Amino acid sequence: ETGVTQTPRHLVMGMTNKKSLKCEQHLGHNAMYWYKQSAKKPLELMFVYNFKEQTENNSVPSRFSPECPNSSHLFLHLHTLQPEDSALYLCASSQDPNTEAFFGQGTRLTVV
Amino acid sequence: QKEVEQNSGPLSVPEGAIASLNCTYSDRVSQSFFWYRQYSGKSPELIMSIYSNGDKEDGRFTAQLNKASQYVSLLIRDSQPSDSATYLCAVNGKKGGADGLTFGKGTHLIIQP
Repeated sequence: ETGVTQTPRHLVMGMTNKKSLKCEQHLGHNAMYWYKQSAKKPLELMFVYNFKEQTENNSVPSRFSPECPNSSHLFLHLHTLQPEDSALYLCASSQDPNTEAFFGQGTRLTVV
Repeated sequence: QKEVEQNSGPLSVPEGAIASLNCTYSDRVSQSFFWYRQYSGKSPELIMSIYSNGDKEDGRFTAQLNKASQYVSLLIRDSQPSDSATYLCAVNGKKGGADGLTFGKGTHLIIQP
């Protein structure tokens, strides 16, 4: 496997459910990110991890909880989401936070 | 708060012509600049990175950076219908900072056959 892989590709969940998004990178990078992409809005940076340490949390609601067990894996734990959280969630990685980032295929999340 | 501004378009260009995409950014200390292409329903794909003032060419693509004017552009020569996509400008970051990329809303480019 190469690049950045995200699972699942599609997810439908109810507002009371708990689910997790998974991201794995095979590029030997040190930084990983979660982005949210909603219709007609720019990509929004949610979380940054550099060398497994969280360095940015852009005022994301606590119903989104990231986890980075090692520099190759990143999770986004979801609980009690709202319908407005429906979006494309993108994981990315880069060698460091100032160099080019490479994206996974994304998870299309629908909250019902 | 860093901001990246792009004209959302659509920008319509005839096949074979040059497509010119523009981007301005607000944070003067930004050091790294990127152009991504995103097809509908797909994730962004890196096509160019530029770190120094001037031009950088890669095949049909040329990125131009002017830090004094806080302006980045992307030129696509000999435009093809397959170039039709949304082009995202991204900017990062403070030197030594760890704050990830800030994206513009993107410019929707249409290449007319």
